[in-house]
Order: sequence, then C-alpha cells, then structure tokens
Amino acid sequence: EAQVTQNPRYLITVTGKKLTVTCSQNMNHEYMSWYRQDPGLGLRQIYYSMNVEATDKGDVPEGYKVSRKEKRNFPLILESPSPNQTSLYFCASSFLAGTSTDTQYFGPGTRLTVL
Amino acid sequence: AQKVTQAQTEISVVEKEDVTLDCVYETRDTTYYLFWYKQPPSGELVFLIRRNSFDEQNEISGRYSWNFQKSTSSFNFTITASQVVDSAVYFCALSEAYNTNAGKSTFGDGTTLTVKP
Repeated sequence: EAQVTQNPRYLITVTGKKLTVTCSQNMNHEYMSWYRQDPGLGLRQIYYSMNVEATDKGDVPEGYKVSRKEKRNFPLILESPSPNQTSLYFCASSFLAGTSTDTQYFGPGTRLTVL
Repeated sequence: AQKVTQAQTEISVVEKEDVTLDCVYETRDTTYYLFWYKQPPSGELVFLIRRNSFDEQNEISGRYSWNFQKSTSSFNFTITASQVVDSAVYFCALSEAYNTNAGKSTFGDGTTLTVKP
C-alpha cells in the first residue's frame, strides 16, 4: 500500500530537548516536504527535498533541520525545541515531474506540543 | 515572491447545491504547479489535483472540476451537487517548477466549506 508514515503521531516535550520526527515513504518519490499548520497562519513549508542529498529551505526553516540520506526517509529535527514550535506537522511526498493526476501523498500528521 | 489568495474564508451551502471555491495566485515564474487539497474535520490532508502551468485544460473528476485561467491567474474549484461529506477546509497552493526555487510551495489561507443537509 502506497503511504507516507510519520512518527510519532503525538508528542509532548519540554523546551530544549532535541527531538526527531520521522517521515518515510514507500513509493520511490523524489520529492519530499515538511509543513507546519497553525491556527490563523495556515500551512507553511519548512523544508523540502528534490532528491537524495538535496534539501532546501521553505518559508519557515528557523529552528529546524532535515536530512535526505536515503530516498525514502526525510526526518525533521528540532535541535532545541521552543514553545513556538508547538504545531501540527505534515510530511508529503510525490514524483517530481508527472501528469496532473499523479498523486501527492501526505503523512497523517504529528501533533507536537513544546512546554 | 509567490502569493496565493483564497478570498472566501467560509462558504455555507445546502446539499446538492453547486459551489465554487476561488483561488487567485501571483508568481513571476513562467512554469509552476497549482494544487488543491482537502482537509476534512478529521484533520488529514488529501491531495485533489496538481495542474502544470502550461496545461490550461480544465479538469473534471466526478463531481469535482477545476478551471485554470492563466490570463486571470486563477485556478477555481467547483463541486457539483455538493454533499455533506464535502464539508472540509480546502487549500489552494502554488509551487515553483524549474527554477532555483523549484519545489518551494505557498498555500492560500484555505476556504472552510460547510454543506448542510
């Protein structure tokens, strides 16, 4: 089954404690991306990757790191989380070029609370 | 800089009515992708469509249709014969395609659609 998995789904942590949110896809997609969703601010892109070892900043990269060492995985790293990173996070993947109906897949979301 | 505007914050219709969600975008790129997504009350994000900027053909998928007009920088989404299950927040988004920022995405603020029985 084609899917994007994210873990954990829910996390409550404290300020400064490093954490990683994993994202994995099984469709051999080149493109992967991280978004955060906040009330009143909508969806904003954090980082994206066009392929292995190719990552770029989105609109809100501050406080986050990513890596793309393998095609299937695109972890989001918060080295020193702060309360303003409390948010709902989504990972997505798709083929880079394709028809208009090629599907983009989203993970189920990770709800992060930083105290 | 890219910008996506969904001027309709909330729309309420009665079941079986047709409804159109507007999306207007701004970009200096000549090649880009446009998207529509659905976020039902359960919270997941569902991809609906991706449209390449060089393909202005309208798209129909069941009760859903999309009208892409490059001349007015609009990519509107119509649901025909709406159903209660269509109640969701709908997002329009734009992504650069081939320049140095290829893959960078910008979302509209979303339109909350409520379909009443």
